[in-house]
Amino acid sequence: EVQLLESGGGLIQPGGSLRLSCAASRFTFSTYAMSWVRQAPGKGLEWVSAITASGAGTYYADSVKGRFTISRDNSKNTLYLQMNSLRVEDTAIYYCARRLGGDLPAAFDLWGQGTMVTVSS
Amino acid sequence: EIVLTQSPGTLSLSPGERVTLSCRASQSVSSRSLAWYQQKPGQAPRLLIYGASSRATGIPDRFSGSGSGTDFTLTISRLEPEDFAVYYCQQFGSSPLYTFGQGTKLEIK
Repeated sequence: EVQLLESGGGLIQPGGSLRLSCAASRFTFSTYAMSWVRQAPGKGLEWVSAITASGAGTYYADSVKGRFTISRDNSKNTLYLQMNSLRVEDTAIYYCARRLGGDLPAAFDLWGQGTMVTVSS
Repeated sequence: EIVLTQSPGTLSLSPGERVTLSCRASQSVSSRSLAWYQQKPGQAPRLLIYGASSRATGIPDRFSGSGSGTDFTLTISRLEPEDFAVYYCQQFGSSPLYTFGQGTKLEIK
């Protein structure tokens, strides 16, 4: 089955760091751009970061720029999100999502189940 | 920054009814960049519509999208019990790269 599986979430104190991983299976990971999208408890969706298929291009929401780093290892079919200087407001479920491939319009057609990050003292 | 405003915030309807959800952008956006998602409690979002009007793989034809410029709509022609969920519109732009609307909750009357 084509899927994305996130891991690495947990409880962390403000100012701490965490690295999320997203393992892709049963599709050619290296040909797809990927993103991280988060959802605070009871709130809507917020795009966090994106990376091109090759990894050469990275993009961030203003709310995480300078604190979060997106990366990927196409040999391991894995996407990462390094989160530093975490704040209480970063508390959310973090989803990895695959952008539609080829020349199709930008939309996320495959999502992981999410991993919860709780920033609290 | 383009802001997407969805209306109404909550809608109470019965199975079998027709519903139209609205997504209004603060500036004109390309139809190609507009998508709709469905999210049920405890689940990840699911892509319904991309490019404003193209149904994603496996999406029933009771779901349709339309619109251009600043006004976009998602229509469900005949509500099924499994359609009661939260719906989000999303646009692809420049900065930020992606923006979501705040969501419309569709609940059973």
